[in-house]
Amino acid sequence: QVQLQESGPGLVKPSETLSLTCTVSGGSISRSSYYWSWIRQHPGKGLEWIGYIFYSGSAYYNTALQSRVTVSVDTSKNQFSLKLDSVTAADTAVYYCAKVNNNAFMNWGQGALVTVSS
Amino acid sequence: QSALTQPASVSGSPGQSITISCTGTSSDVGSYDLVSWYQQHPGKAPQVMIFEVTKRPSGVSNRFSGSKSGNTASLTISGLQADDEADYYCCSYAVGNINWVFGGGTKLTVL
Repeated sequence: QVQLQESGPGLVKPSETLSLTCTVSGGSISRSSYYWSWIRQHPGKGLEWIGYIFYSGSAYYNTALQSRVTVSVDTSKNQFSLKLDSVTAADTAVYYCAKVNNNAFMNWGQGALVTVSS
Repeated sequence: QSALTQPASVSGSPGQSITISCTGTSSDVGSYDLVSWYQQHPGKAPQVMIFEVTKRPSGVSNRFSGSKSGNTASLTISGLQADDEADYYCCSYAVGNINWVFGGGTKLTVL
């Protein structure tokens, strides 16, 4: 069973870059049938898809965030990462990484709360 | 692109059945059989309960079932149990600007 774990700073200053890494264990990130995704949940709110990446590096983003988001993959470390530029308080959320297969978010990390504040 | 529309809350008594609706458009729910449903308990990560409209992942109880008609998908939970009390989210693949769109979530209360 694939497991995912988010890591990164829990506090980011406004206008700076949010950076998170998701470490995948129990399976290879290079498996061809999987995509690797980031999803966030604002406090007390619903879920918002941010983007996902294939092991080859092909990435797809929510166009509402596309100008500020980069998702990358490091197959040698079995990790994928999220960078979100120019953050504001509106980016405060729990950020989840997830494995996508069978057209659904099948496995999720436990989530990482990131607060944007000076 | 707007989120899919779900009722804010539903409730039912133990043993009863409930249905949660998820209304989208011809650009998402209506165009693809790629609707999934997620259960989220407080403070926990979401867990997939249904994928591709009607399919259940291994380990998910057969009390959970999914369906779709036109632009509306539905999740039915039969034989309600206390542990079913949670938030439920639908999700669909969508054409255009956003590849995946979620519903606003439905809080299920087991009375």
